[in-house]
Amino acid sequence: NAGVTQTPKFQVLKTGQSMTLQCAQDMNHEYMSWYRQDPGMGLRLIHYSVGAGITDQGEVPNGYNVSRSTTEDFPLRLLSAAPSQTSVYFCASSRNRDGYGYTFGSGTRLTVV
Amino acid sequence: DAKTTQPNSMESNEEEPVHLPCNHSTISGTDYIHWYRQLPSQGPEYVIHGLTSNVNNRMASLAIAEDRKSSTLILHRATLRDAAVYYCILQETSGSRLTFGEGTQLTVNP
Repeated sequence: NAGVTQTPKFQVLKTGQSMTLQCAQDMNHEYMSWYRQDPGMGLRLIHYSVGAGITDQGEVPNGYNVSRSTTEDFPLRLLSAAPSQTSVYFCASSRNRDGYGYTFGSGTRLTVV
Repeated sequence: DAKTTQPNSMESNEEEPVHLPCNHSTISGTDYIHWYRQLPSQGPEYVIHGLTSNVNNRMASLAIAEDRKSSTLILHRATLRDAAVYYCILQETSGSRLTFGEGTQLTVNP
């Protein structure tokens, strides 16, 4: 089924470890983005990309890196995990940046101990 | 950034219409109004969007006030599967981000 695939679904990290959250879409969407959602709160934008080779920072970029080498993939890297990064991470894609018709993945639940 | 204000929670009965309000008094002339919803343990799902005119699709209707300072998402016949958090979002004129607030938790009673 076409859509946005996120892996892993669950992850536990120790403080200071690094890891990469994977996001892939098969809809040939140009625009992709990463959000985090803390308990009881709305989503906050971490980084986004408007096409291969182009990325930019969102609202809460510190502690995260991204790259976009292909249209399909947009991985999110945690450089040195901290307990404050415990959250649910969502990847989204859309045909353009206009804000409607975003397709979200099912999320990665990350716990940093 | 233009902001939206929504009630924290609302309740409805199954098969009755639901009107979810959203205030956005600082909206600019080119800002689109988007509605997304998030079912439990899932990512957000696009519902509807509009600029000035009322909009209808298979999921819902969007009624936009003439002065655009408020809007209402209308679910014509609520079902138990409509229980979710509903987000009213203004797209920034830059077009590069969606800013989610805390949304309205809709409870649908059988």
